[in-house]
Amino acid sequence: DIQMTQSPSSVSASVGDRVTITCRASQAISTWLAWYQQKPGRAPKLLIYAASNLQSGVPSRFSGSGSGADFTLTISGLQPEDFATYYCQQANTFPLTFGGGTKVEI
Amino acid sequence: EVQLVESGGGLVKPGGSLRLSCAASGFTFSGYRMNWVRQAPGKGLEWVSSIKSDSSDIYYADSVKGRFTVSRDNAKNSLFLQMNSLRDEDTAVYYCARARFSRPCLDVWGHGTTVTVSS
Repeated sequence: DIQMTQSPSSVSASVGDRVTITCRASQAISTWLAWYQQKPGRAPKLLIYAASNLQSGVPSRFSGSGSGADFTLTISGLQPEDFATYYCQQANTFPLTFGGGTKVEI
Repeated sequence: EVQLVESGGGLVKPGGSLRLSCAASGFTFSGYRMNWVRQAPGKGLEWVSSIKSDSSDIYYADSVKGRFTVSRDNAKNSLFLQMNSLRDEDTAVYYCARARFSRPCLDVWGHGTTVTVSS
């Protein structure tokens, strides 16, 4: 199985900050990576697919990059509604696997 | 509106069974691979199972293989998860999610249904 390692596990930030979250796969997955946002008590929401493609309706302050085994999610200009937990997920092979999550806190 | 609505969760004793359902609407259900993903209390996301649009291709996480069975009824726009031999560690919120692309990311999620396994 492909292991997904996210860092950091949590980050404290302020409104307007730039936040970067990294995700590393245990083997190369090309660009088959997705990012999700989850708020407490809510279902996850797809933000980025295929490493760098913004899902429809997602604000442009979210961006993704990377290929192979190393990926990043960047939030440029953190907004109050962005405080949440973020997960990466590899889509290269089954079983699908998620990173452990990164909590973005005030 | 594209929507997934799960049902069937509840409290069950260890060793018991439960059948989850997911009703889809607002899109052509028969054209999409569907998935179950769970989240234990205070924990991260764990993919559980995936079934191709025509049921010809099915995958399970090792943690549920041999105990859970995924199925679908395209005529009724419904996805199911039959869960047998339930264990304490199966306690979680279970989400159904639509897969996009052959290398699936999950673009539509239900609100989840809670399964609690406890004596």
